[in-house]
Order: sequence, then structure tokens, then C-alpha cells
Amino acid sequence: EDQVTQSPEALRLQEGESSSLNCSYTVSGLRGLFWYRQDPGKGPEFLFTLYSAGEEKEKERLKATLTKKESFLHITAPKPEDSATYLCAVQAATNAGKSTFGDGTTLTVKP
Amino acid sequence: KAGVTQTPRYLIKTRGQQVTLSCSPISGHRSVSWYQQTPGQGLQFLFEYFSETQRNKGNFPGRFSGRQFSNSRSEMNVSTLELGDSALYLCASSFEGRNTEAFFGQGTRLTVV
Repeated sequence: EDQVTQSPEALRLQEGESSSLNCSYTVSGLRGLFWYRQDPGKGPEFLFTLYSAGEEKEKERLKATLTKKESFLHITAPKPEDSATYLCAVQAATNAGKSTFGDGTTLTVKP
Repeated sequence: KAGVTQTPRYLIKTRGQQVTLSCSPISGHRSVSWYQQTPGQGLQFLFEYFSETQRNKGNFPGRFSGRQFSNSRSEMNVSTLELGDSALYLCASSFEGRNTEAFFGQGTRLTVV
């Protein structure tokens, strides 16, 4: 069974203090790993898809990386508007349309 | 382009009743997946439809069912509601579901009393 574990559960940073969120996964044949951002009361917002180990993607202050067992979401010089819950999900090669999500990391950035 | 639309946004039902939720995907998207989100269990996969066919199903009881219409709009139904069914129900739309970006709606907040 596919599994995704995210750490830490919660992270509090000062504005400008860079850090990383971790996503460890087990899946039978990774089709893709996804990162989402979710604000309270809203649906998840797509950020990145990573397909294979060694791949990296960037968007503004966010950079996602992938190894064979985990993914990191690096946040550089965060701002208060980056505060949200960040979700990681995996999709197995044999499970079209089904993503297995982690419980998320709730990030709070203080000004 | 218009995003994923879920209706209604909020719903209050009594135990034992049934409920139908609707999801209109992004135009051109043929895959619709449904998820249940609760504080204790996180996002749990319910099922996925592609071109009117259920292609994948999660580990939920038979009280949870869905369908997809020829215009890709999807509905999910929950019969004989239980208190534990209270959750945010989210649908995600993607072009074909396989490793493609999925776009979520705002969700339907269901409260069972």
C-alpha cells in the first residue's frame, strides 16, 4: 500500500528564515509526486509535479526536489503570505487518477 | 479559464439521510477524482472517473457512490449518512488523471447532525 509521511507537522518561521519540509514515501512504481498548498477553507492548489529522482522544480521562493525515497520542499526567505498547509502526494504507476496524500505540514511565517 | 466548481459549498444533513454533491471540472478535463478531508484522516481518496467510467476506487463503504456524465460533470452520493461522514469533500479535475496536474475545487463542507 502506498504511504506518504510528512514532517514536521507544524513549522513556525520568522520572515526571511529559510527551511525545508520533508515528504517520505513508499509506492510501487512512482508515476509522479505532487506538492500542493492549501489555505484554510479552500481546496489544495497545485504547485509541482516531480517524476524521477534527481529532478528539481522552482517557483518563486519554493524549490522541490526528489530522491528515490523522499522529496523536499525548500522555502527560501519566506514571507507571511507563504503561511499555509503544504501537502505532498504520490501517484503509483498502476493507480491512474488516485493520489495518496500525506497529512501535510502547516507553515506559519511571522513578520 | 473557469476553475473547478463544486456545489453546494455547505450542507447540513441529518443522520440517515442521503446527499448528492456535484462537481463541474475544468473544460476539456475528462478525469474527476473525489476526496474526503477530515482533521484526523487527512485527504482520503474516494474514487476517480474518466470518460464516464469508474477507473479507481478507494477503501470506503458502498454507501459512497459516484457517477460521471458525458460532459465530464460528476456527482457523488452518500446514502444513510453517519456522523462520521462530516467532512470537506473535494473534487479534483485533470486532463486524463495519469500523472497530470490536478486542480481542486473549493470543496463541499458536509455536516451530519
